[in-house]
Amino acid sequence: DQQVKQNSPSLSVQEGRISILNCDYTNSMFDYFLWYKKYPAEGPTFLISISSIKDKNEDGRFTVFLNKSAKHLSLHIVPSQPGDSAVYFCAASEDDKIIFGKGTRLHILP
Amino acid sequence: GAGVSQSPSNKVTEKGKDVELRCDPISGHTALYWYRQSLGQGLEFLIYFQGNSAPDKSGLPSDRFSAERTGGSVSTLTIQRTQQEDSAVYLCASSLESTSASSYNEQFFGPGTRLTVL
Repeated sequence: DQQVKQNSPSLSVQEGRISILNCDYTNSMFDYFLWYKKYPAEGPTFLISISSIKDKNEDGRFTVFLNKSAKHLSLHIVPSQPGDSAVYFCAASEDDKIIFGKGTRLHILP
Repeated sequence: GAGVSQSPSNKVTEKGKDVELRCDPISGHTALYWYRQSLGQGLEFLIYFQGNSAPDKSGLPSDRFSAERTGGSVSTLTIQRTQQEDSAVYLCASSLESTSASSYNEQFFGPGTRLTVL
């Protein structure tokens, strides 16, 4: 039973456009939500987080939106750049345990 | 600066053998986490250390899996009598301290150990 779900295994976006990566969760006790980015043969790297008491957090080209009533969060990347091509993991934390989704592979098209 | 390192980077073993995977966290990081990523799956939490103690072992998939951490630094994940379903990338992460209700402490990941059980 997946507590964190990324229903799109892959997404292709034109360079310069907005990339929107979606994530749903089931556990209302999660206190932080996170996005990690992973290149092949490397460990995941932290991108951005949002506390469960916020609804938006922005860091440069990356913005995460949290809709608690819908148990949904999304990562917006604008403008998308070729280096953004990677697998993006949505994750949620409760106490010290982090639960990851299966990831969405983002392809930025030239 | 030194990040999280893991060794070996690749390990091929025969079914039934024991394997040890090593993680060197970032110096000064008190929290250490082990995850694994199987083919087509997300990152699966295995175990978490705060210092040398493991308050949460709930993710270990069976009693063939164990982990220890000594000196608040290096950790080893041991898999006994490996099975083919143990084949995965095993990732280690560390953070300054464990996440509290008021702040999230970023976890820094190592490059992983790819384990293949034949």
